[in-house]
Amino acid sequence: GESVGLHLPTLSVQEGDNSIINCAYSNSASDYFIWYKQESGKGPQFIIDIRSNMDKRQGQRVTVLLNKTVKHLSLQIAATQPGDSAVYFCAENMGRGSTLGRLYFGRGTQLTVWP
Amino acid sequence: EAGVAQSPRYKIIEKRQSVAFWCNPISGHATLYWYQQILGQGPKLLIQFQNNGVVDDSQLPKDRFSAERLKGVDSTLKIQPAKLEDSAVYLCASSLYRSGGEETQYFGPGTRLLVL
Repeated sequence: GESVGLHLPTLSVQEGDNSIINCAYSNSASDYFIWYKQESGKGPQFIIDIRSNMDKRQGQRVTVLLNKTVKHLSLQIAATQPGDSAVYFCAENMGRGSTLGRLYFGRGTQLTVWP
Repeated sequence: EAGVAQSPRYKIIEKRQSVAFWCNPISGHATLYWYQQILGQGPKLLIQFQNNGVVDDSQLPKDRFSAERLKGVDSTLKIQPAKLEDSAVYLCASSLYRSGGEETQYFGPGTRLLVL
């Protein structure tokens, strides 16, 4: 079965609020995690990534938090906008050492932003 | 910078027919991936190429699926014969391999396949 999963399949927020999307992973050997955004009819779009030697990384309006103790990942979106409405996937790289590794995707969370 | 290109965008076929998808990765990207995304699920890796060699095809149903990447650039994915359960979006992605295990994968728009 998939090792990467999401706590909630849907999330609805009001425009301007902050959003938090959660993700759990089961492979403690995973060393690289990525968040993707997928809009309807499009391919996944890279948002932000984090390596296992970090616990926080910030981008433009987005922050990813990694808690290796409980194997939990979260994506925080500040001042959520209608254009943020999409399905968000976390992906886990079960890399074989430092070489090319396979990405495992969770099921995704549908984020809906209301005006 | 041009993104990953895929064609066709949509395809409808009857079961037992054959179908082929084409992918042109981002220029200079050595690694190319094919994913299958069933409705309501995350993408699942089918095959991974490094240049024109296969790195990982452990999830590819080889009795009906095949893929090639001649000359290490474009790639085609073929299904023959198609089954109803093959209805999905087929995504191509590419990455510029960097040492250390980081590889940001960039996805194309996908080909939406419907098998009737």
